[in-house]
Amino acid sequence: DVKVTQSSRYLVKRTGEKVFLECVQDMDHENMFWYRQDPGLGLRLIYFSYDVKMKEKGDIPEGYSVSREKKERFSLILESASTNQTSMYLCASSSGQGLSNQPQHFGDGTRLSIL
Amino acid sequence: EDQVTQSPEALRLQEGESSSLNCSYTVSGLRGLFWYRQDPGKGPEFLFTLYSAGEEKEKERLKATLTKKESFLHITAPKPEDSATYLCAVQASINAGNMLTFGGGTRLMVKP
Repeated sequence: DVKVTQSSRYLVKRTGEKVFLECVQDMDHENMFWYRQDPGLGLRLIYFSYDVKMKEKGDIPEGYSVSREKKERFSLILESASTNQTSMYLCASSSGQGLSNQPQHFGDGTRLSIL
Repeated sequence: EDQVTQSPEALRLQEGESSSLNCSYTVSGLRGLFWYRQDPGKGPEFLFTLYSAGEEKEKERLKATLTKKESFLHITAPKPEDSATYLCAVQASINAGNMLTFGGGTRLMVKP
């Protein structure tokens, strides 16, 4: 079974802090993704990566950055946290290079609150 | 722009009362349509992938079907444990990043 592990289930941080969300997958997947999920807005893609050290912007990258130094690990960074970044953050991974049509597998999410 | 619309937003069923959830999509060449189940406070759990019109997939009480414009998730004789939010997502042929476009989901509640 694919396992995507997010380091924290719940996190509370203060406005202006630099926040790191970590995600690890154990299936040697090439592709990794970061989403946020908000009521009424659904799942929105922040950033994704199709290879180590590669990253691509999704639909809502502003205020975020990412790091992928190792294949199994994908980190989301909130450079200077703001209250509008309070959300559920979901990490996902999928196999296949190029035009792959394999499903994405998700972690259980990190519920982040910015005070 | 790829779009996915799910209906209804919420559905209440009695245990044993079969029904269908709808996922309508517009995409520039469909590479895959994915169904997920999401329980409260958890990440989406993969259910099915459909690749071409006419394809069907089944798992226990769930059956997913696909046409050129929409997909249905049929739930036969549901049980309370089927209560969850069901998400549909599409992947476009020109999407080199393997990104998915998600619908807003259907929240299913099955009462005993």
